[in-house]
This record gives sequence, structure tokens and C-alpha cells, in this order.
Amino acid sequence: DSGVTQTPKHLITATGQRVTLRCSPRSGDLSVYWYQQSLDQGLQFLIQYYNGEERAKGNILERFSAQQFPDLHSELNLSSLELGDSALYFCASSVGGGQGTGELFFGEGSRLTVL
Amino acid sequence: EDQVTQSPEALRLQEGESSSLNCSYTVSGLRGLFWYRQDPGKGPEFLFTLYSAGEEKEKERLKATLTKKESFLHITAPKPEDSATYLCAVQAPSGGSYIPTFGRGTSLIVHP
Repeated sequence: DSGVTQTPKHLITATGQRVTLRCSPRSGDLSVYWYQQSLDQGLQFLIQYYNGEERAKGNILERFSAQQFPDLHSELNLSSLELGDSALYFCASSVGGGQGTGELFFGEGSRLTVL
Repeated sequence: EDQVTQSPEALRLQEGESSSLNCSYTVSGLRGLFWYRQDPGKGPEFLFTLYSAGEEKEKERLKATLTKKESFLHITAPKPEDSATYLCAVQAPSGGSYIPTFGRGTSLIVHP
């Protein structure tokens, strides 16, 4: 158990809909990272938050947004869903702000299926 | 532009048959190379961090090494429970932060 909690574990929805994925980082970790994993793309970095502020952005679509709350949990919002958004979405946390400060601890992921 | 390339994509071994997985990278200002293990339907699990060329880390049957251009994950006398996907990641600059960039992984199957 990594200590990172993600909900829901599975989600099935239709094209055009909006979903919210939730992540609680390990106790004491200030950074949250979101990654998307699909069979053809591997693990792709989406966005990082550190202590409530956006720190880095990857290949995140404009239809996607995220935030980190004062209690450090984070939410990833996916809207106007398309079939190609079907993937595993992972949240990871780390102690530091991404200044080369070490490994990430991953949650179990949220599997999104868009029909 | 791929910064991290892992090979082979898939590897089948017999129990006890040692082998190596490769991770080559093309980043400047490396702030760490990481190895993770991922079981099907699970999140990646951290194995090792390497920071400088010549560094080595060991854990049970696994040994990771680092040069200026690549890293190897050596698996000695593997067991079926070592079957998993092994991911390599390099910590590269992204704006004001250093973000781990992952390779596509090597899927390892160890037959009893």
C-alpha cells in the first residue's frame, strides 16, 4: 500500500459527459502529479500541483482541468469526454516540489471507460 | 521526441535464466533515473533511484546500474513472481519543476 488513495477505481460513462477523479496523497506529501496511461502511449504526465499551486503542466488537454485543495487532496476534471480518453489515470505524490527530490508514490489508478 | 527508450518491449525468461533490461535516455541536466515495477491493473511501485554515472543499487534479485546514456536493470535467477512490467523514468526539467518522464516499459514474463 503506497498510501495514495484514488477514487473511483472504475468509471464507465458516455461521450460528451464530464467526470471527476479524486486523489488523496500520502500523509506529509505536498506534491500531487496526474498521469494518464493508455496502451499505445504509456504513462503520460498531465499536471503537477505543489501545496495548492500548479507547478508544472504536461500534455494536458484543454478539456481537462485539475486543482489541489487546502487539505492537499486533488481532483482531475475531465469534460466533453471522447472515446480516446479511455485510459487509466494515476495520481502520484511526493514530499518535495519536483526539484529532483526523489521518487513518486502512485495510487492504484482510476480506470475510465468512455462508451 | 522520446527522451526515454526501453528495450526490449517484452521479454520471456525461464525461471533461473538471468537477463538485463535496458533504458536509454537523451536528457540534459539529469536529476535522477528511476526504476519502477508495475503489476497488471496496479500503480507503479518504486524500486530504485540512481543519480550519477557509475552508481549501482541492489534489491533481492534486481540490480540497477547507470551510465551517462543508459541504465540497466539486471535480473539474476528470476522467479515467476518477478513477472511484471518494469518502467524507467528520468527526472527532466519542465518549467520550474523536474518531472519524471517514463519510458513505455519492458513486460517481463518468467515461466516456472
